[in-house]
Amino acid sequence: GDSVTQMEGPVTLSEEAFLTINCTYTATGYPSLFWYVQYPGEGLQLLLKATKADDKGSNKGFEATYRKETTSFHLEKGSVQVSDSAVYFCALSDNYGQNFVFGPGTRLSVLP
Amino acid sequence: DTGVSQDPRHKITKRGQNVTFRCDPISEHNRLYWYRQTLGQGPEFLTYFQNEAQLEKSRLLSDRFSAERPKGSFSTLEIQRTEQGDSAMYLCASTDMNTEAFFGQGTRLTVV
Repeated sequence: GDSVTQMEGPVTLSEEAFLTINCTYTATGYPSLFWYVQYPGEGLQLLLKATKADDKGSNKGFEATYRKETTSFHLEKGSVQVSDSAVYFCALSDNYGQNFVFGPGTRLSVLP
Repeated sequence: DTGVSQDPRHKITKRGQNVTFRCDPISEHNRLYWYRQTLGQGPEFLTYFQNEAQLEKSRLLSDRFSAERPKGSFSTLEIQRTEQGDSAMYLCASTDMNTEAFFGQGTRLTVV
């Protein structure tokens, strides 16, 4: 079945450092790919998405590119802030949009 | 529309009791999902409705669990004879065709 693998956390960075969180997936067909963020005590919020190969999703300084050849969707940000501290989930939905499969999440802590 | 809402936000129950959670999706969304999230893990798929039809159920959904969406609008998730292992955050999400899933704040269940 479909699956998502993320780099294990926690990831601890200093403010203004560069962030990469790796995500790879296994899926049949052509899934859509997503990054969701969960701030402490809150529900999951969509951060960005990409629906086809070579698409780049971006939001709030975060970017991720849908790489079909490497089945990856790595999350990057050039300069993290303390307010970016949260848990980040990579996810995919199958090409019929019938199910969303999530990775285990990566906890990011940004220190001032 | 204020998004996906779930009720209650927190539920503490004694082992062996039945509990029921409610989810009100975004009004124009025809797909509704239930997920379970335990500490440090990503959301795990439980079940999915398209309108009032329950189209898929995870093997995680034992016969003590039942979900309904009687009029294709709100949904309920019932857990009978609760066990301590049922303690988790129960998340509801809704989506229209081939868009991202919008999540509610979740219901945190504690079985004592």
